[in-house]
Amino acid sequence: AQTVTQSQPEMSVQEAETVTLSCTYDTSESNYYLFWYKQPPSRQMILVIRQEAYKQQNATENRFSVNFQKAAKSFSLKISDSQLGDTAMYFCAFMKVYGQNFVFGPGTRLSVLP
Amino acid sequence: DAGITQSPRHKVTETGTPVTLRCHQTENHRYMYWYRQDPGHGLRLIHYSYGVKDTDKGEVSDGYSVSRSKTEDFLLTLESATSSQTSVYFCATQLQGANYGYTFGSGTRLTVV
Repeated sequence: AQTVTQSQPEMSVQEAETVTLSCTYDTSESNYYLFWYKQPPSRQMILVIRQEAYKQQNATENRFSVNFQKAAKSFSLKISDSQLGDTAMYFCAFMKVYGQNFVFGPGTRLSVLP
Repeated sequence: DAGITQSPRHKVTETGTPVTLRCHQTENHRYMYWYRQDPGHGLRLIHYSYGVKDTDKGEVSDGYSVSRSKTEDFLLTLESATSSQTSVYFCATQLQGANYGYTFGSGTRLTVV
């Protein structure tokens, strides 16, 4: 079975600074997908970024980028130029290539301070 | 997301009463899921469906049942609610074969007193 760990329950960052959220996972699969989801106070789940394990290039989406280290089974999220709207719960999630359901980490609560 | 509607958005119920949560989608997605979200646990899979009348158990299915009689509707039932089922419940859908993540509903906060 796959497991996803997020070792930082809470983090804070000053507005305009950069912050990195950690995620590690355990799997025996060689091919899979990894995701970061954002959950603001509205409770809506919003896809931030997606990484395919067979692609070595790290995914980027505007101010969001990942550092994917397959051998270390690590998938960290970097948020550059943090904005107040980035305040949210962030979940790391794993999905097998031919699977349908996610395995989620416990989440990291990020506060962006003015 | 406008394509998935969960109802109700909030509910308070008493221990021992049956409760049904509804998920309605207009995405025509084959796969539908029910997750519960609890502090320190993230989201955990309760049940999922891979088609009309086709369902399977997830990680935390005890005390829950589901039904899917139409593509667009996926119901989650707590036969006899307990305080341990106080949680936020999310419905999600996925297009078959598309590993681009889920489309989520806005969640139902259920409190069992």
